[in-house]
Amino acid sequence: EIVLTQSPATLSLSPGERATLSCRASQSVSTYLVWYQQKPGQAPRLLMYDASNRATGIPARFSGSGSGTDFTLTISSLEPEDFAVYYCQQRSNWPTFGGGTKVEIK
Amino acid sequence: EVQLLESGGGLEQPGGSLRLSCAASGFSFSGYAMSWVRQAPGKGLEWVSAISSSGGDTFYADSVKGRFTVSRDNSKNTLFLQMDSLRAEDTAVYYCAKYFASGSKFFDSWGQGTLVAVSS
Repeated sequence: EIVLTQSPATLSLSPGERATLSCRASQSVSTYLVWYQQKPGQAPRLLMYDASNRATGIPARFSGSGSGTDFTLTISSLEPEDFAVYYCQQRSNWPTFGGGTKVEIK
Repeated sequence: EVQLLESGGGLEQPGGSLRLSCAASGFSFSGYAMSWVRQAPGKGLEWVSAISSSGGDTFYADSVKGRFTVSRDNSKNTLFLQMDSLRAEDTAVYYCAKYFASGSKFFDSWGQGTLVAVSS
């Protein structure tokens, strides 16, 4: 099983600041890395796929990068609606998810 | 607009059974593989099962293999998850999720989830 480790567990930032979230895989997943956003009481929402491709309707302030074992999701300037939990998922094998990073308001 | 609506959750005793359903609309259901993903209270996401577009191929996480069965009725645009021999650790919100594309193994649409609680 491919284990995904997300860091930090919590990120405390203010609106307008830049958020940088990390996801590390226990073995190479090439670029088969996906990001989701989840708000309380809601289902996850697809943000990025294959490391750097934004899903339909996702604003340009969200960007992704990485390959192999190290990946980054960047939110260039946090909007109030961006405070949520973010999960990475690998699709190189049967899906596994990271433990999540909570982006909270400082 | 894609809509996925789960039902069938509830409280069940350990060793019991539940059958979840997911009614799909807004897309060509028979053309997409589907999955179930669960989330224990306050925890992260765990992939549970997948089924091919035709229903001919099914896949399971080790944690549920031999106890859960995924199926679909393409004539009724409905996905199912038969859950037998339930354990306390199966307590979670269960989401049905639509594959982005054939073989993609990631999900572009999710239902709102249905809560399964296993307790005596």
